[in-house]
Amino acid sequence: AQSVTQPDIHITVSEGASLELRCNYSYGATPYLFWYVQSPGQGLQLLLKYFSGDTLVQGIKGFEAEFKRSQSSFNLRKPSVHWSDAAEYFCAVGPSGGYQKVTFGIGTKLQVIP
Amino acid sequence: DAGVIQSPRHEVTEMGQEVTLRCKPISGHNSLFWYRQTMMRGLELLIYFNNNVPIDDSGMPEDRFSAKMPNASFSTLKIQPSEPRDSAVYFCASSPGTGGNEKLFFGSGTQLSVL
Repeated sequence: AQSVTQPDIHITVSEGASLELRCNYSYGATPYLFWYVQSPGQGLQLLLKYFSGDTLVQGIKGFEAEFKRSQSSFNLRKPSVHWSDAAEYFCAVGPSGGYQKVTFGIGTKLQVIP
Repeated sequence: DAGVIQSPRHEVTEMGQEVTLRCKPISGHNSLFWYRQTMMRGLELLIYFNNNVPIDDSGMPEDRFSAKMPNASFSTLKIQPSEPRDSAVYFCASSPGTGGNEKLFFGSGTQLSVL
């Protein structure tokens, strides 16, 4: 069965600092991988997704993620964090075939300090 | 495009009462999902519909939970009778297809509190 691990429940960074959120997945074949962001009181919004091709994926709001098959990882990065990036971030994995059952990680809550 | 619309935004009820959550997916989307979010368990898929037909309800916790999709523009999630452990945020999401690479569009959720 597919699974996602986000080892960091809570991360605090200073505004302007770089950010990396970790995600490891378990899946028998090449998965579809996603990062979603959830602002307080809102639903989740897709930041980026990967399913083939270039392993470095660009998303919205200046985020990027890199797929590393050898490490079963899909870490999210941003070179310079803005206060508005404070939110909860979810990594997710979906099957490459069949109907869409996406499994979400537990989430990483990002706090940005001035 | 109004996005996925859920109602109510907040629901407070007493244990044993029936609760009905509503969802209007984005027009033209073929797939609809109900998720439950809690601090302890994160985001869990409850049920998935494709073209109004329930495809996977393996995540529905027990018989007290039921979901329907009578047409392409409306779905309900019902809990009867409700219990305090059902307190959570319930999200509805839709997507345009059925493939594993489809983007999910989420509603703003219903915050359910069962006293």
